[in-house]
Amino acid sequence: DQQVKQNSPSLSVQEGRISILNCDYTNSMFDYFLWYKKYPAEGPTFLISISSIKDKNEDGRFTVFLNKSAKHLSLHIVPSQPGDSAVYFCAALASANAGGTSYGKLTFGQGTILTVHP
Amino acid sequence: DAGVIQSPRHEVTEMGQEVTLRCKPISGHNSLFWYRQTMMRGLELLIYFNNNVPIDDSGMPEDRFSAKMPNASFSTLKIQPSEPRDSAVYFCASSFSRTSGDTGELFFGEGSRLTVL
Repeated sequence: DQQVKQNSPSLSVQEGRISILNCDYTNSMFDYFLWYKKYPAEGPTFLISISSIKDKNEDGRFTVFLNKSAKHLSLHIVPSQPGDSAVYFCAALASANAGGTSYGKLTFGQGTILTVHP
Repeated sequence: DAGVIQSPRHEVTEMGQEVTLRCKPISGHNSLFWYRQTMMRGLELLIYFNNNVPIDDSGMPEDRFSAKMPNASFSTLKIQPSEPRDSAVYFCASSFSRTSGDTGELFFGEGSRLTVL
């Protein structure tokens, strides 16, 4: 049961253009969303996040959009650079809990391989 | 500052052998997570600890998998006996959670790539 889904295994973009990575989720309890970036032979690193009380969060070239009604979020990278080539993971968190046991437990998607061509 | 340290980086073993993966979290972090990365399912949470106590092990695939955290600076993930389908990259991550439900950022180690022949 994949609660966070990234349906595009890969994406290829020309340098300077926009990269759009998509993510869908099914659990309505998720209220915080994150994007992680992973280079080969390295662990994932945090990129950007958004709370469910917002519909957009921007950090430099990276913007995350959240559509709660559609249970969909996307990461936009503008302009794309060759150094952005990596695997991007979408992750979600249900921060509110009844038993006090969330402790930052993230549910990740399958990942999307982004390749930015010079 | 040292990040999350995992060992070994690569492990090749034969089916039926015992495998032990090790993790040293970032000093001061109170939550530790073990994830497994596969092509089909991405990053799957296996188990996580808070203040050295296992909180949720529902992601542990089978009884062949076990994890311990004897102190705040060390954790192990053991597979016994190992099978070819266990081949994957296993990541350890740590974070500092101030309160339950905290959205503390996860810091990942570089992973342990396991190949079971």
